[in-house]
Amino acid sequence: VQLVESGGGVVQPGGSLRLSCVASEFTFSSSGMHWVRQAPGKWLEWVAFIPYDGSFQYYADSVRGRFTISRDNSRHTLFLQMNSLRAEDTAVYYCVNDAIFGKDIDYWGQGTLVTVSS
Amino acid sequence: DIQMTQSPSSLSASVGDRVTITCRASQDIRNHLVWYQQKPGKVPKLLIYAASTLQTGVPSRFSGSASGTDFTLTIISLQPEDVATYYCQKYDNAYRTFGQGTKVEI
Repeated sequence: VQLVESGGGVVQPGGSLRLSCVASEFTFSSSGMHWVRQAPGKWLEWVAFIPYDGSFQYYADSVRGRFTISRDNSRHTLFLQMNSLRAEDTAVYYCVNDAIFGKDIDYWGQGTLVTVSS
Repeated sequence: DIQMTQSPSSLSASVGDRVTITCRASQDIRNHLVWYQQKPGKVPKLLIYAASTLQTGVPSRFSGSASGTDFTLTIISLQPEDVATYYCQKYDNAYRTFGQGTKVEI
């Protein structure tokens, strides 16, 4: 199983980025997905969740109204559209499957670094 | 929103020591809590789910317990390879809040 994130980079405050996470060897279309981030030297922070069918989305208070999680099951791809970026959004962003603990394994991508700086 | 308060933020212990890390939920999350271990430069590794069930392959020196909204991760006999940061995370609903981590050193 592989989850491969991409789309990170350096962006100015107020700018936008779109992250992608491509899943392989994994029943992506039947799994909810999360984005989790980790600022340099800091703790893990849950960011957003989308169920298998994309029917609704949940967000952390820190990103609600600025970030949008979405998915394309035909392409086995998860997205995170990030707008109005702030310095405090600087972090490594991971995609993670919504494992049923005890039944499924939780898979983490290797992460993609987003740096918000002028 | 439910907050997860983890303590201590860091600790130093000797090889063979018993180490205890606590995570407190601000509301009832039943036993929907996991513990992760994260080593530098690596993604988190699942240790325990359902508050006290050891994930397959995790050494038996790790254990978890729960009492109401208080959860505990115990390392019975600390080993050098246990140096890492440990996180709790709730999963009672889609809002998967993490604790702020406990850095364990020797």
